[in-house]
Amino acid sequence: NAGVTQTPKFQVLKTGQSMTLQCAQDMNHEYMSWYRQDPGMGLRLIHYSVGAGITDQGEVPNGYNVSRSTTEDFPLRLLSAAPSQTSVYFCASRLQARGYGYTFGSGTRLTVV
Amino acid sequence: TQLLEQSPQFLSIQEGENLTVYCNSSSVFSSLQWYRQEPGEGPVLLVTVVTGGEVKKLKRLTFQFGDARKDSSLHITAAQTGDTGLYLCAGESSGGSYIPTFGRGTSLIVHP
Repeated sequence: NAGVTQTPKFQVLKTGQSMTLQCAQDMNHEYMSWYRQDPGMGLRLIHYSVGAGITDQGEVPNGYNVSRSTTEDFPLRLLSAAPSQTSVYFCASRLQARGYGYTFGSGTRLTVV
Repeated sequence: TQLLEQSPQFLSIQEGENLTVYCNSSSVFSSLQWYRQEPGEGPVLLVTVVTGGEVKKLKRLTFQFGDARKDSSLHITAAQTGDTGLYLCAGESSGGSYIPTFGRGTSLIVHP
């Protein structure tokens, strides 16, 4: 089925560890984003990309890196995990930057201990 | 930073009741989307509205975009237990930024 695939579904990290959250879409969408969702805070944008080779920071980028080498893939790297990064992470894509709704992945629940 | 205020924050009703949730801002939006999110899943797009005064229907769900494109509402008729979830609105500015702003959501529980 076409859509946004996120892996892993669950992850536990120790403080200071690094990891990469994977995101892939097969809909040929140009625009991709990473959000984190925390209770009472809603969805907050971490990084986004308007096409292969182009990325930019969102509202809460500190501690995260992204790259977009292909249209399909948009991995999110945690450089040195901190307890404050415990959250649910969603990758989302849409056809173009304006006027289209997102297709979201099913999320990665990350716990940093 | 634009703000999208959603109300109510929580709603607990019985099956068969009607309800309305609201999404309000002081900013003008070029388009606005509504999503539903079930526990453990990502949000799923329900509708996009783009024209002031526009009304869209999706079975028992009715979506309205305000005339001034600053607010929107979602009305559910005869709610069912399957309507339970978190309802999110997201607006795109009519200005230069194309980054959508999300509201914090309305959590709806429909009891059998």
